[in-house]
Amino acid sequence: DAGITQSPRHKVTETGTPVTLRCHQTENHRYMYWYRQDPGHGLRLIHYSYGVKDTDKGEVSDGYSVSRSKTEDFLLTLESATSSQTSVYFCAIRPGTPYTGELFFGEGSRLTVL
Amino acid sequence: QQQVKQSPQSLIVQKGGISIINCAYENTAFDYFPWYQQFPGKGPALLIAIRPDVSEKKEGRFTISFNKSAKQFSLHIMDSQPGDSATYFCAAIPPNSGGSNYKLTFGKGTLLTVNP
Repeated sequence: DAGITQSPRHKVTETGTPVTLRCHQTENHRYMYWYRQDPGHGLRLIHYSYGVKDTDKGEVSDGYSVSRSKTEDFLLTLESATSSQTSVYFCAIRPGTPYTGELFFGEGSRLTVL
Repeated sequence: QQQVKQSPQSLIVQKGGISIINCAYENTAFDYFPWYQQFPGKGPALLIAIRPDVSEKKEGRFTISFNKSAKQFSLHIMDSQPGDSATYFCAAIPPNSGGSNYKLTFGKGTLLTVNP
């Protein structure tokens, strides 16, 4: 296990409601990522973090925000959920050194927006 | 713009057969090509990876073949087993990506089913 816990693992919500997904790591890795996985689109990067309070946008960041106040936690927030945000969300972590290029993924959070 | 194109989208193979998944990339600056394996209900996990200075890398039944001039690389699974049934993603990383500029570009995935 890579020491990554995502919560909640499953959530059903209604359009317009706020949703926060949490990623918790026990590895003290510097880099953390949020991806979404959709059929036909593979894995797409939403946001990532390269340190506490240091975050940046990925390729599909519209409608999402993130926060990282502690090394171990990376939060993904949907301010007002839409049906297009129904997806499986994966958190991933990566050590700064040694650099191997490998990402370690959590088990995912399945979000359904009705 | 999709920088890594993966094919086929799905693949059905009989037990004992060879599974072949292909990827093509556009950015000649990529210098690290990992493959991830994902079982249902789980996150992807690194399976095998190659750098462009070698043409082939083998780990057990899994082999990556790399053709730098054609900008293509492929995953071969020899003696495919039902336990290999999973989704496979190819990916590519440009050089000097150890810091905050890390960019891992995934293909769209291939769903492999190995029938018993």
